[in-house]
Amino acid sequence: KAGVTQTPRYLIKTRGQQVTLSCSPISGHRSVSWYQQTPGQGLQFLFEYFSETQRNKGNFPGRFSGRQFSNSRSEMNVSTLELGDSALYLCASSLDGIAGGRETQYFGPGTRLLVL
Amino acid sequence: GNSVTQMEGPVTLSEEAFLTINCTYTATGYPSLFWYVQYPGEGLQLLLKATKADDKGSNKGFEATYRKETTSFHLEKGSVQVSDSAVYFCALSVRTGTASKLTFGTGTRLQVTL
Repeated sequence: KAGVTQTPRYLIKTRGQQVTLSCSPISGHRSVSWYQQTPGQGLQFLFEYFSETQRNKGNFPGRFSGRQFSNSRSEMNVSTLELGDSALYLCASSLDGIAGGRETQYFGPGTRLLVL
Repeated sequence: GNSVTQMEGPVTLSEEAFLTINCTYTATGYPSLFWYVQYPGEGLQLLLKATKADDKGSNKGFEATYRKETTSFHLEKGSVQVSDSAVYFCALSVRTGTASKLTFGTGTRLQVTL
């Protein structure tokens, strides 16, 4: 079974631009979560989608948004990029994200975003 | 709120040495606990997990036991290899409403030398 895929793997943008990242979950998985990884803040939860609905959201500004399509693929968008948005953005999928938190989340390789 | 505390790295060991990476947690409710590993330039891979107190997770020679009384989930391996060099993350997950999310520790870098 194919794992979680993320595209693109690398991106370079300038301040003020916007960016869209894509994530394809493992086949049959319906929950997709996004995390930001930086050297200073570590791994932080952005949001989680299930059945095209955002179920959970972390403490990020409204410039960070996402969506999920009917085939469970997900995109996240960052508008008006800032230098501090430079990070590795990781997507993770699980079956339904419930099960009392016992479910394993499987991660993709990430998209590395550099904002200049 | 929920939080995970890991020992500071980097940890440098010689091959075949014993490894312990400490992890303690604070959580409301009954968390599941995970260890993930990240190799250079890659995403996170699940190493092992435990979903209730006294459970022992194990994989590839790594072990960790869910200790509710000490709120700990320390990672151990009896004999490390150079290929184990990576960053290790302890994490917890607690269901909140209809969703759950992972809360990670800061990560511990392990360097194994010959």
